[in-house]
Amino acid sequence: KQEVTQIPAALSVPEGENLVLNCSFTDSAIYNLQWFRQDPGKGLTSLLLIQSSQREQTSGRLNASLDKSSGRSTLYIAASQPGDSATYLCALILTGGGNKLTFGTGTQLKVEL
Amino acid sequence: DGGITQSPKYLFRKEGQNVTLSCEQNLNHDAMYWYRQDPGQGLRLIYYSQIVNDFQKGDIAEGYSVSREKKESFPLTVTSAQKNPTAFYLCASTQDRNSPLHFGNGTRLTVT
Repeated sequence: KQEVTQIPAALSVPEGENLVLNCSFTDSAIYNLQWFRQDPGKGLTSLLLIQSSQREQTSGRLNASLDKSSGRSTLYIAASQPGDSATYLCALILTGGGNKLTFGTGTQLKVEL
Repeated sequence: DGGITQSPKYLFRKEGQNVTLSCEQNLNHDAMYWYRQDPGQGLRLIYYSQIVNDFQKGDIAEGYSVSREKKESFPLTVTSAQKNPTAFYLCASTQDRNSPLHFGNGTRLTVT
């Protein structure tokens, strides 16, 4: 069974710092991986989607990488801002897994002034 | 604006009652999903539907039921058989597995 782990569970950084969030998975036969953001009491917003054939995707200050061989994806946030404070979740679809996503438990990020 | 609407935002029920959560999307997506979110456990898949009039059980389907009579609607019924129904319920949709998943803003169900 695919397990998706996000460590640390919580992270606090000062404004302006560059940071990396980690997502580890046990089964490398993935079809794609998505990173989401969730604000308190809200639904999830998709940030980046990486297909299995890609190594990275970029959107503004966000860059997500994928290394299937090591079972790892990272989300890099440049020049963090207080508005980046949220919970970040990764989720993946297995090859042959239809449209089912398996989610990690998330990293709660707080960017302080 | 296109999106997913979940209603109501908060729902309170007495133990033993069935309750139906609404999910409507105007994104013309084929696939729709129901997830449950509990503190410290991430999102767990309850049911999903890839096409009208068809749906499959997810990882925690016991005590839940769904229907998919229209493309834009995927209601979830929490039955009295669900042992721990109090949770945050999220509905999502996507066009296909190559596309991002879109979420509604959730329904927080409290059963006492």
